[in-house]
Amino acid sequence: ETGVTQSPTHLIKTRGQQVTLRCSSQSGHNTVSWYQQALGQGPQFIFQYYREEENGRGNFPPRFSGLQFPNYSSELNVNALELDDSALYLCASSLGRGFEQYFGPGTRLTVT
Amino acid sequence: ELKVEQNPLFLSMQEGKNYTIYCNYSTTSDRLYWYRQDPGKSLESLFVLLSNGAVKQEGRLMASLDTKARLSTLHITAAVHDLSATYFCAVDMAGTGNQFYFGTGTSLTVIP
Repeated sequence: ETGVTQSPTHLIKTRGQQVTLRCSSQSGHNTVSWYQQALGQGPQFIFQYYREEENGRGNFPPRFSGLQFPNYSSELNVNALELDDSALYLCASSLGRGFEQYFGPGTRLTVT
Repeated sequence: ELKVEQNPLFLSMQEGKNYTIYCNYSTTSDRLYWYRQDPGKSLESLFVLLSNGAVKQEGRLMASLDTKARLSTLHITAAVHDLSATYFCAVDMAGTGNQFYFGTGTSLTVIP
């Protein structure tokens, strides 16, 4: 059984650009959550997708958006990148809401 | 808004000593999780605490949960260098289904 995977591992973008991060959930997991972890801080909840629909959102602006596909993989899109968007982005999948989450290795985004 | 506070933020301890990390949270929660994070890495699940009075132990680590006090502890017994990492608690706010709120993290350094 494969775990949660994320791509790319690292990327560097310029302020104002747009970025798409990808997450493949663990087999059979229909719930994916995304988190942003700035350096030296705890992860912050961005949003969650359950069976292809957004199921809750943290305190992030609309330029953070997402999708979940029929195979339950997910994308996080960030428009108009700002320097403060530099962080480790983690996705986590679970069998459903209320089940234990399993985190992927993360994508390190640097905005210059 | 749910707040999760950990203390201490930084902990330097000698090998063989015991210490406790505290996690306080501000509102009702269904469950509490402890994670370990090594530098530049993702989150590794340590414990899932599902009810008041729950206690779990793995090796030199023991976690407990007091939902009435809204407090969880992570106790380290006879610390070894391999335990050096950052430890996070995370609270799953009641009814949200896996929308985690993370603590600030405790950076633990075990000195030989």
